[in-house]
Amino acid sequence: DGGITQSPKYLFRKEGQNVTLSCEQNLNHDAMYWYRQDPGQGLRLIYYSQIVNDFQKGDIAEGYSVSREKKESFPLTVTSAQKNPTAFYLCASSPLRLPSTDTQYFGPGTRLTVL
Amino acid sequence: AQTVTQSQPEMSVQEAETVTLSCTYDTSESDYYLFWYKQPPSRQMILVIRQEAYKQQNATENRFSVNFQKAAKSFSLKISDSQLGDAAMYFCACLDSNYQLIWGAGTKLIIKP
Repeated sequence: DGGITQSPKYLFRKEGQNVTLSCEQNLNHDAMYWYRQDPGQGLRLIYYSQIVNDFQKGDIAEGYSVSREKKESFPLTVTSAQKNPTAFYLCASSPLRLPSTDTQYFGPGTRLTVL
Repeated sequence: AQTVTQSQPEMSVQEAETVTLSCTYDTSESDYYLFWYKQPPSRQMILVIRQEAYKQQNATENRFSVNFQKAAKSFSLKISDSQLGDAAMYFCACLDSNYQLIWGAGTKLIIKP
């Protein structure tokens, strides 16, 4: 089946530790995105990438890092510099090619809790 | 900067009735896209409907339709014949020229059986 997978579904971290969230897609999409969602709020963009080996900061990139070594994969690392990392993290991808260049499709998300 | 506003934190509707969720946006772009996404309790974000701003015709997808008023920068979602499975958070979003989605805060839709 084609789609976007995120792992793990639930993740716990001690303060001061870095953790990496996985996002993989087999849709052959060019662009990938990471969002953060806090209770009662909409999504906020952390990072996005439109091509392999290139990525741009979103609105709340501080304390996060990403890599895009393969088209299919866009892992997000939450570093110890992120002061309030407990949140729900969503990964998305979009084709950037006709006919649906504009539409983003989402993975199931990862719930990160800092203990 | 682009902004998206959903003024209804929560809405409720009787099963089989019709409900309209409001969304207003602000953009300086001349061409843009608008979306409604649904997030059920599973938290998977699911695309409901999309609208290209250059198209005057309102988008429809089965029981879901939009009322797109470009001059008023309004993009409301109408759900007809509401079903229990429609219960979810609904988010309105606007795509900017950098392919970034700007999101509203969401509306929680409750379906009363």
